[in-house]
Amino acid sequence: NAGVTQTPKFQVLKTGQSMTLQCAQDMNHNSMYWYRQDPGMGLRLIYYSASEGTTDKGEVPNGYNVSRLNKREFSLRLESAAPSQTSVYFCASSPQVFGNEKLFFGSGTQLSVL
Amino acid sequence: AQSVTQLGSHVSVSEGALVLLRCNYSSSVPPYLFWYVQYPNQGLQLLLKYTTGATLVKGINGFEAEFKKSETSFHLTKPSAHMSDAAEYFCAVSDPGGYNKLIFGAGTRLAVHP
Repeated sequence: NAGVTQTPKFQVLKTGQSMTLQCAQDMNHNSMYWYRQDPGMGLRLIYYSASEGTTDKGEVPNGYNVSRLNKREFSLRLESAAPSQTSVYFCASSPQVFGNEKLFFGSGTQLSVL
Repeated sequence: AQSVTQLGSHVSVSEGALVLLRCNYSSSVPPYLFWYVQYPNQGLQLLLKYTTGATLVKGINGFEAEFKKSETSFHLTKPSAHMSDAAEYFCAVSDPGGYNKLIFGAGTRLAVHP
């Protein structure tokens, strides 16, 4: 019962470094999402993929890129990390992209940018 | 644009007392509404959701919420708090006509003391 798996769980970067957060789901879901969680702000959508082969911007896409590698995997890349990107990142998936669907979340990646 | 306001970033109750977590939303169309819970060092889990139909929605772990259109509210309640209910709770809204791009509130941290 893996569900949504995120790697790594923790990461420390220096300003300007790049890295990719990995996410995989084993529930055969069509839609996948990346959120960031900051204190006092709840979760904000960075990018989403309604189905394999498509990606779209969410509320806070600047400084990020995504790749929907296949139906299972959806990665988030920081090309040049900035301290403002210090956050907890959550990947989620849902069977479809419709607004009434339940989201299934991974356990998160805690990222610190120094 | 949609938005969610959760009144009270921290709520503290005694074990066995009523739990009331407040959520108000702003939306130009009748929205879908959700409550998610986050236990320490975990991802979010769906507690309950309102899409259409009955306005009183029952969820897991004894929680329920009532959609009140006239008050634009979706407050979460539980008659008797348990120590295991200590967690952070997020109210969220999505647009029925759009993709599953949830807008989250800032969250309410619930503490339960003996």
